[in-house]
Amino acid sequence: DAKTTQPNSMESNEEEPVHLPCNHSTISGTDYIHWYRQLPSQGPEYVIHGLTSNVNNRMASLAIAEDRKSSTLILHRATLRDAAVYYCIPRSGNTPLVFGKGTRLSVIA
Amino acid sequence: DAGVTQSPTHLIKTRGQQVTLRCSPKSGHDTVSWYQQALGQGPQFIFQYYEEEERQRGNFPDRFSGHQFPNYSSELNVNALLLGDSALYLCASSPLAGGVTGELFFGEGSRLTVL
Repeated sequence: DAKTTQPNSMESNEEEPVHLPCNHSTISGTDYIHWYRQLPSQGPEYVIHGLTSNVNNRMASLAIAEDRKSSTLILHRATLRDAAVYYCIPRSGNTPLVFGKGTRLSVIA
Repeated sequence: DAGVTQSPTHLIKTRGQQVTLRCSPKSGHDTVSWYQQALGQGPQFIFQYYEEEERQRGNFPDRFSGHQFPNYSSELNVNALLLGDSALYLCASSPLAGGVTGELFFGEGSRLTVL
């Protein structure tokens, strides 16, 4: 399994963009980069995933470095509801998700 | 469309007892995975069930066992409970092929406290 490094915590003001970094220097060529988040008292929920190109969906954008050794999850306008622990997970095929400790995002009103 | 449902939501057991946790997957999903989440940690993979068989297993002892029923629902059993088994147990479902995004859908979990 590829090892990931994420900041323990980050803070953002409401309605400002947030950039959550993740280093995954040992990622394999077949690993997609998945992001999940876990809101308080809930199970994790899928946010976004990508392989090489930058990806956008209704929740967030994912920017992947050209060498694929790092990626950044971008929340364009943070809301109070975005306060959660965010996990970056390299994953190949149907292999189990391997969670690290993630980044705890706090959003200030 | 109901998502993943788990029961019970909370329970308290004593050391040495046995516990059974239940999970109903999201409609249309045939694969169920179980995760254990200790306080302050990320979830850790226990095992995955598909077609009523255990397909993949994480680094957990044999005290942890499971079952999947023909309707795709699943149970997690833990025998000879230890204090260290206190955790949030999460069930996740997916179509085996991974669907469009390969995402897993998680329930809200069953919080087990062992005294």
